[in-house]
Amino acid sequence: SYELTQPPSVSVSPGQTARITCSGDALPNQYVYWYQQKPGQAPVLMIYRDTERPSGIPERFSGSSSGTTVTLTISGVQAEDEADYYCQSADSSGTYVFGTGTKVTV
Amino acid sequence: HLQLQESGPGLVKPSETLSLTCTVSGGSISSDYFYWGWIRQPPGKGLEWIGSVYYSGNTYYNPPLKTRVTISVDTSKNQFSLKVNSVTAADTAIYYCARRVGRGDMTDAFDIWGQGTMVTVSS
Repeated sequence: SYELTQPPSVSVSPGQTARITCSGDALPNQYVYWYQQKPGQAPVLMIYRDTERPSGIPERFSGSSSGTTVTLTISGVQAEDEADYYCQSADSSGTYVFGTGTKVTV
Repeated sequence: HLQLQESGPGLVKPSETLSLTCTVSGGSISSDYFYWGWIRQPPGKGLEWIGSVYYSGNTYYNPPLKTRVTISVDTSKNQFSLKVNSVTAADTAIYYCARRVGRGDMTDAFDIWGQGTMVTVSS
């Protein structure tokens, strides 16, 4: 089955930049979506179609794509950004897949 | 604004059927713009897409779960439901219902989620 690989954890100091990668063989042909999940809460959509921000999401969250790797960047990290982050995409058959998840510690 | 709310038993015995319902409020489930899906998360683990349903009744399932899962929609009640047959401890998870965008710029994004409901499989 199709897999999306993320680093298990990323540690960053307040005000610095955090980068979370998501790797998968089909990513050159599929969009990636990013979700933030805080403890005890449902995931929240942060980025869609690799680089776009839904309304209400702070500008410090951005996405980029290069080949088989997509990156979520958090610029000027704040304490409230501490959470788990998941990428999501779809394979060629229309099955939706989530990444392994990355815990961001501030 | 649109909200989703899961409901159903929090405890299911092994080999029995897990049944959950998601009630959509603040908007109609009968929109040709959206699909309605279920996603689960075992304790301390990642997210797994279970499947989705369109208001017409068309369904889409994750292949590893396809033989045990049924998702249905009731437009008269603005609800959709999940059934998982022959459950084991591996089905213990938080179950989320979520709206998936079917058209436009945000196609394939799960943009609205319910709060989730914990289901434990145990005798």
